[in-house]
Amino acid sequence: GAVVSQHPSRVICKSGTSVKIECRSLDFQATTMFWYRQFPKQSLMLMATSNEGSKATYEQGVEKDKFLINHASLTLSTLTVTSAHPEDSSFYICSANSGQEEWEETQYFGPGTRLLVL
Amino acid sequence: GNSVTQMEGPVTLSEEAFLTINCTYTATGYPSLFWYVQYPGEGLQLLLKATKADDKGSNKGFEATYRKETTSFHLEKGSVQVSDSAVYFCALSDRGNQGGKLIFGQGTELSVKP
Repeated sequence: GAVVSQHPSRVICKSGTSVKIECRSLDFQATTMFWYRQFPKQSLMLMATSNEGSKATYEQGVEKDKFLINHASLTLSTLTVTSAHPEDSSFYICSANSGQEEWEETQYFGPGTRLLVL
Repeated sequence: GNSVTQMEGPVTLSEEAFLTINCTYTATGYPSLFWYVQYPGEGLQLLLKATKADDKGSNKGFEATYRKETTSFHLEKGSVQVSDSAVYFCALSDRGNQGGKLIFGQGTELSVKP
């Protein structure tokens, strides 16, 4: 159990275009999903917290108009990188927790999406 | 605020050696503690966790004990394998103060040689 998927696993796009990344909880309902960004050889940087049916909460310094997050259902959250630029190239990882009993504080991570903006 | 500090890597060991990766934390509340592992090019996998003081988390031969008196959660394994080569992240979650957010350490890269 507790499987989280991401799609696509890898994407290359031209500068100025928008890219959508999907995060799905496959065998549980995720009340909360998180989006992280990871640079090479570094730890994960939390970008935003996404709750189903409400607006995402962004961390300080993260542009909400640049990184659009939609948590449309209890199993799906999407991150759209708008007007992507080369500096947006990174590894994006989502995680989810169900908020139920022993799972409550455990986040389960997706496999990540590598974005390269040319 | 809450924070996690891990020993710096990379750590290089020979197969079957004993592993310790130190992790200490600072928290204002009563956090849960986690170890996650990241293999090259992949996301993070939960390795083990402990939710209260003196709890021991264990999985795949790895262990870590939640020590409130020393604010530590060191990861240990008695005999490492080449397949254990990965980056290990210590993390805490303090739902009362942080809304379930994970605070990560900087990660420790482990390389196990045959």
